[in-house]
This record gives sequence, structure tokens and C-alpha cells, in this order.
Amino acid sequence: GAGVSQSPSNKVTEKGKDVELRCDPISGHTALYWYRQSLGQGLEFLIYFQGNSAPDKSGLPSDRFSAERTGGSVSTLTIQRTQQEDSAVYLCASRPSRGAGNTIYFGEGSWLTVV
Amino acid sequence: QQQVKQSPQSLIVQKGGIPIINCAYENTAFDYFPWYQQFPGKGPALLIAIRPDVSEKKEGRFTISFNKSAKQFSLHIMDSQPGDSATYFCAASSDYKLSFGAGTTVTVRA
Repeated sequence: GAGVSQSPSNKVTEKGKDVELRCDPISGHTALYWYRQSLGQGLEFLIYFQGNSAPDKSGLPSDRFSAERTGGSVSTLTIQRTQQEDSAVYLCASRPSRGAGNTIYFGEGSWLTVV
Repeated sequence: QQQVKQSPQSLIVQKGGIPIINCAYENTAFDYFPWYQQFPGKGPALLIAIRPDVSEKKEGRFTISFNKSAKQFSLHIMDSQPGDSATYFCAASSDYKLSFGAGTTVTVRA
């Protein structure tokens, strides 16, 4: 596609439920990232994929968070047993390849509200 | 631990003014320094970027100044317009990872 596509754009869920957020990166981009942005806050790194593998998962806040990527393309971020503090915008980004200087392109995010 | 420190948190200028946003870093392995602009409800978009072998870069009304020895860099928005009102993030990259500052909300009043 023309840009990074994320779905759903908005999700309201009850505390304790599981949610899945989907990211469709720009075609041909081998690197994929998930970031989290809480209201009025900066961008918190969650996980990095190169192809289908995730060499850096250091930003995942707890074992309730997991992510996978299949076919070197679509990625899913799963949050189990959601808590109110998980409410945030989850941003996916992709870039052509590993290495400095390649622009990271962001999607418009999935706004998650846990009630 | 935030690897890139950004200030101020917010600023307000009149149309035509020059908002200046400052960032500082510690990791000398960083070798790419982009700035992103984010409008409400949208994802961040690359605005301008610089490498440490250059002291200044201009693109339109946006200028990055880079001081390698001080490990600081800044964004200047010349002749600012109300349409420039947004949140600006500085970032620093080494290899695959991009570390972001906390963001600066800029408001340009007409």
C-alpha cells in the first residue's frame, strides 16, 4: 500500500479483555517497529522486527504484551488481560532496511481505551 | 532512561516568530538525527534530518543546527505560521533503533 496501515483506528475494551492490533507496513519494508504514545507523552519503543524475527523486544512492558510478524509483512500486537494503564495510541512504523539514515514511516496509530 | 532530552515541553509564539526546540544526547554512537512533526490524530511524519558531519541543514522554513562537541541539536522554525502548530519530536538513531525525545507542543498564534 501507499503507507503504513493500522487497524482498528480506535478500540474501546473492557479491563481484562484481550486485544489485537494490526499493522500492514509499506510493501517491501523489511524493518517494522511498534511504539506506544500515552496522552501528551513521547514515543515509547516496544519492539523491532527485521523480517519475521524480533531481535529487540526490550520495550515490551510486561508479559501481557506480545507481537508477531508473518510473511515479512503484517504484524499483530496482542495485549492480554488489558489494564487501564494500557490506554494509549499504539503506533506502527516501517522502514526499507536496517541501517542508519533510512526514514521510519509511521501509521496513524490505533487508539486503545481500556474502561 | 531517556536517551534524548528535549526542551521545552511547550511553547507559544506569534505568527512570524521563530520557535526553537532543543535536544541533547549522550550516546556518541548516534549517527542520524531526524525531527518528526505530529498533528493531532495523526502519526508522526519526518520533517527534516541531519547527520553529525554537518553543522546546519535547511529545508524550507525549517533549520536544524547541530553541535557535535556539545552533543546538542536544535530545530528552528522560521517565519512560523499557524499551520505549523503541532508537536515536534527530535530523535536519534544508531543502527536500527530510533530513540525519541519527549516532544514539544508548538502553538503559533495568528
